[in-house]
Amino acid sequence: TQLLEQSPQFLSIQEGENLTVYCNSSSVFSSLQWYRQEPGEGPVLLVTVVTGGEVKKLKRLTFQFGDARKDSSLHITAAQPGDTGLYLCAGALYSGYSTLTFGKGTMLLVSP
Amino acid sequence: SAVISQKPSRDICQRGTSLTIQCQVDSQVTMMFWYRQQPGQSLTLIATANQGSEATYESGFVIDKFPISRPNLTFSTLTVSNMSPEDSSIYLCSVLYRGGWSGGNYNEQFFGPGTRLTVL
Repeated sequence: TQLLEQSPQFLSIQEGENLTVYCNSSSVFSSLQWYRQEPGEGPVLLVTVVTGGEVKKLKRLTFQFGDARKDSSLHITAAQPGDTGLYLCAGALYSGYSTLTFGKGTMLLVSP
Repeated sequence: SAVISQKPSRDICQRGTSLTIQCQVDSQVTMMFWYRQQPGQSLTLIATANQGSEATYESGFVIDKFPISRPNLTFSTLTVSNMSPEDSSIYLCSVLYRGGWSGGNYNEQFFGPGTRLTVL
């Protein structure tokens, strides 16, 4: 059973479109992180959300943590080809030292 | 964020041989992790490597196949032993910062660039 469900698994859109990626779980997370990984590179941390209902913005990317800290979403406005990559959400179940639980990822392809 | 380097960045190896992957961090960290990732897929945790103690392996991974060293707080190695084509994957090291990179009541994990391994 996958603890973190990401959807969609694959998304192919045109430049300028908006999109939302979802990360859902039945478990409560102490914190949740979003990563973007480009081909041939390691995952790069985009944001960490900690508080239920929290919204964080990173340029055209908006991240939201659900009120119950069980889900999160990533919204990209006016997508660009440079946004292409694998988006991974990862949650920490405990606030102490603990490993991350990763979703399966969303592969985003933005065409010019 | 943390600067993490891995060596080699990629390698092509013959079946039955072993490869040691190095991970260097630019600051001292308590917890380091080794992951495996199939192209386009998510990450699978191999083991947790804390300095001064034996590595803790996840289900499906054993020390004889993936021995790990953690001689100090900035360095670790992962060896992939007696390789087979099924070991072809991307291997990533990761470090955890308690309190995040800029401080706080949460953890943040950062990843190295990965080592792309192909076993023939």
